[in-house]
Amino acid sequence: QKEVEQNSGPLSVPEGAIASLNCTYSDRGSQSFFWYRQYSGKSPELIMSIYSNGDKEDGRFTAQLNKASQYVSLLIRDSQPSDSATYLCAVNAGNNRKLIWGLGTSLAVNP
Amino acid sequence: NAGVMQNPRHLVRRRGQEARLRCSPMKGHSHVYWYRQLPEEGLKFMVYLQKENIIDESGMPKERFSAEFPKEGPSILRIQQVVRGDSAAYFCASSRQGETQYFGPGTRLLVL
Repeated sequence: QKEVEQNSGPLSVPEGAIASLNCTYSDRGSQSFFWYRQYSGKSPELIMSIYSNGDKEDGRFTAQLNKASQYVSLLIRDSQPSDSATYLCAVNAGNNRKLIWGLGTSLAVNP
Repeated sequence: NAGVMQNPRHLVRRRGQEARLRCSPMKGHSHVYWYRQLPEEGLKFMVYLQKENIIDESGMPKERFSAEFPKEGPSILRIQQVVRGDSAAYFCASSRQGETQYFGPGTRLLVL
């Protein structure tokens, strides 16, 4: 069983729409949750971090965490073509600080 | 305010040679993590180091791979006797104690 799962996509949305990206994780002891964006051939870039249940908003991005359902999501409002990338969900379980990664969801925002 | 630095950005080696990948963490960061991303695969944790200490090496292959983070200088990921399957992007990330990890640009290793 994979520890962090994401729908691989591709997810295609029109410019200006809301993109919704989802991630589930298996370890109930997980404490920290991250969304990174990775453009092709580039390194992961932090978008959002979330640590407690509920919503966290930063500009056009909203992360949502539900620990009971072991589910974390990322909403991107007013999607732009420049948002087209692979979005990686990462989970930090326990005290060892290593991140466990999903395989990523490919997002395409169409002009 | 320099970010995480990695060099070289691209490295070509022939089978059997050694590869040395360097990582300088962000200023003020004393925690370094190495990850590997194989073509069309996800990121995989390799090793977590603090200055002069390996904290978690559970993701490191048992043979040929080693890592260090000396008191002075960058962290080094060393791959001995490289094989074609080692071809991948190797990313270093750094953080302060218990905080978010920030990634360097990566080293793309190609083994011929």
